[in-house]
Amino acid sequence: SQKIEQNSEALNIQEGKTATLTCNYTNYSPAYLQWYRQDPGRGPVFLLLIRENEKEKRKERLKVTFDTTLKQSLFHITASQPADSATYLCALGGYSTLTFGKGTMLLVSP
Amino acid sequence: SQTIHQWPATLVQPVGSPLSLECTVEGTSNPNLYWYRQAAGRGLQLLFYSVGIGQISSEVPQNLSASRPQDRQFILSSKKLLLSDSGFYLCAWRNPRGNQPQHFGDGTRLSIL
Repeated sequence: SQKIEQNSEALNIQEGKTATLTCNYTNYSPAYLQWYRQDPGRGPVFLLLIRENEKEKRKERLKVTFDTTLKQSLFHITASQPADSATYLCALGGYSTLTFGKGTMLLVSP
Repeated sequence: SQTIHQWPATLVQPVGSPLSLECTVEGTSNPNLYWYRQAAGRGLQLLFYSVGIGQISSEVPQNLSASRPQDRQFILSSKKLLLSDSGFYLCAWRNPRGNQPQHFGDGTRLSIL
């Protein structure tokens, strides 16, 4: 069955450093992959989408890579800020639906 | 611009009572609509999705049901709630053309006593 793995342990980093979050998947060949941010008690908010034929996508301080051979996506936040503290979810795209990972909590300390 | 509304924000219901959660979208037409449940420590579980009025796909068999009586209205219901129905319920919409992202409401926190 399809499986998406994100680090269940929180990632603690210092302000100004680069945060790198990992999303691994098995038994799946997604057409695209998306990353979302979720704050406590709120719905997820879309950040970036990367297609299967794209290696890398950037948006301001965010960068996503997608390696379909390794079945892995990396999500980077450069020059991290305390306001970046949240849970980050990766989601694999099917025809009409998305399959979400459980998310990784990022804590950026000042 | 498009907006999505979910209500109520929080709900406390006794076991065996009925449920109705409503979600409406504004500023778009013929969206794909989704209901998810997020339990503590677990990921987003897709419950139902709809690609049009009256068209409902169920992902997980359970005592919940969904209906789409109007293009931009999606309702999640139950006739008799179970303790295991507690959780954070999220509605989302998506433009059906291409690989578009989903846009979520702020959710309903449902507690069953």
